[in-house]
Amino acid sequence: DTEVTQTPKHLVMGMTNKKSLKCEQHMGHRAMYWYKQKAKKPPELMFVYSYEKLSINESVPSRFSPECPNSSLLNLHLHALQPEDSALYLCASSPPAGEKLFFGSGTQLSVL
Amino acid sequence: GESVGLHLPTLSVQEGDNSIINCAYSNSASDYFIWYKQESGKGPQFIIDIRSNMDKRQGQRVTVLLNKTVKHLSLQIAATQPGDSAVYFCAVQGYSTLTFGKGTMLLVSP
Repeated sequence: DTEVTQTPKHLVMGMTNKKSLKCEQHMGHRAMYWYKQKAKKPPELMFVYSYEKLSINESVPSRFSPECPNSSLLNLHLHALQPEDSALYLCASSPPAGEKLFFGSGTQLSVL
Repeated sequence: GESVGLHLPTLSVQEGDNSIINCAYSNSASDYFIWYKQESGKGPQFIIDIRSNMDKRQGQRVTVLLNKTVKHLSLQIAATQPGDSAVYFCAVQGYSTLTFGKGTMLLVSP
């Protein structure tokens, strides 16, 4: 299995909603990542988990809350988002941090 | 920090032509470079990588060239096909972070 699986593929939420994005990989990778990508822009790093511990938080607002329940799963909890948070949210994994990343197909998020 | 730029935002080619996509980076200590392809509505897909101890690496129809003197790398796609139409990103891998270039959209017309 060489895939990173993200659910849901599409999500529409209001500014008062709470929702979660989920990511799963079964490649035995020890680093997992959340990226945010706006249209026609490169992905921007949000969080890095290495060996299930948060190692990098790129000054992301607290309305985004990551969670790594185990080495195969990564969640991103969303609360009180703003319309400007609408974007494609990409999950990725790598064997350890510093090796090439494998990306999921992303969750297209729209905040109304 | 790392700055990764591309020379051309859009590249239009005819099917069967060879395509060359360029990228410049700023940190001379960078030692691992990756090219990704991103189709509309999908995540970036790994194409090919190269480490700084190499100047050239070939894959299936793709070649990456690295010029450390001028901090430049390029992706060459041979016999470009309509299925190659996508946005191509160069990326520089740091210890825990991957810095992406701005992206070049490759348009292949039949």
